[in-house]
Amino acid sequence: GAGVSQSPSNKVTEKGKDVELRCDPISGHTALYWYRQRLGQGLEFLIYFQGNSAPDKSGLPSDRFSAERTGESVSTLTIQRTQQEDSAVYLCASSAYGVEQFFGPGTRLTVL
Amino acid sequence: AQSVTQPDIHITVSEGASLELRCNYSYGATPYLFWYVQSPGQGLQLLLKYFSGDTLVQGIKGFEAEFKRSQSSFNLRKPSVHWSDAAEYFCAVGALIQGAQKLVFGQGTRLTINP
Repeated sequence: GAGVSQSPSNKVTEKGKDVELRCDPISGHTALYWYRQRLGQGLEFLIYFQGNSAPDKSGLPSDRFSAERTGESVSTLTIQRTQQEDSAVYLCASSAYGVEQFFGPGTRLTVL
Repeated sequence: AQSVTQPDIHITVSEGASLELRCNYSYGATPYLFWYVQSPGQGLQLLLKYFSGDTLVQGIKGFEAEFKRSQSSFNLRKPSVHWSDAAEYFCAVGALIQGAQKLVFGQGTRLTINP
C-alpha cells in the first residue's frame, strides 16, 4: 500500500505570505503527527491528531501556525504571515494505535 | 518532560569498521525508544524500537541497540558498516498519550563512511 505522502515537496514563498502544507496519511492510521526540522537540527514536535481531534497543540511555535484534519485522513498545516525563521522541512507521520510512526518525505519550505 | 541527547554530532568511520552511536534519554517512566535513519533527501525510516522485554533489540540493515535503564541509554551498534550506511541517525523517546505516540528526538548524529 501507499505510504505517507506530502505536498508540495518544495515551497518557496515570500515573507508575509500564507502557506498550506498537506499530508495524506496511510489509510486507516488513526494518529497523525507534524514535525519541523530546521537545517542541521533534530525534529521538533508541532502537533498531533487522534482522529480529527488535536489533544496536544503545545508544540505549535506561535499563533501563526494552525492545523486541521478532516475525515480522519488528510491534514493541512497552515502558516500565516510566514517569517524567514519558518524555513524548514515539515514532516508528517502517521501511526496505527500507539505503535510505529511512518514518516512522509517532507515539504521543504523556504521563506525569502 | 522527555528529552534525548545524542552527544556526537558527527562521526566518521571506515567501511567495515564497527559503529556505536550514543543516545541518552530522560523520562520518568519506562520509555519507548526508537532509532530512525534519514538518508539525504529522504524521509525517516525506522531502524528499531524498544517497548519492553529483551533489552537487546535487533533492527533492519544489521543494526542493534541495547537499552540500559541504569545508564538511561539506548546506544545503536553495527558490527561492520557499509558505505550505504552514511546518513543522519536520530534517537527518539516516546510517550503513549491518548492512543498516540508523541516522540521527542535527539539532535541527530551524522555518520560519514570512509572508503
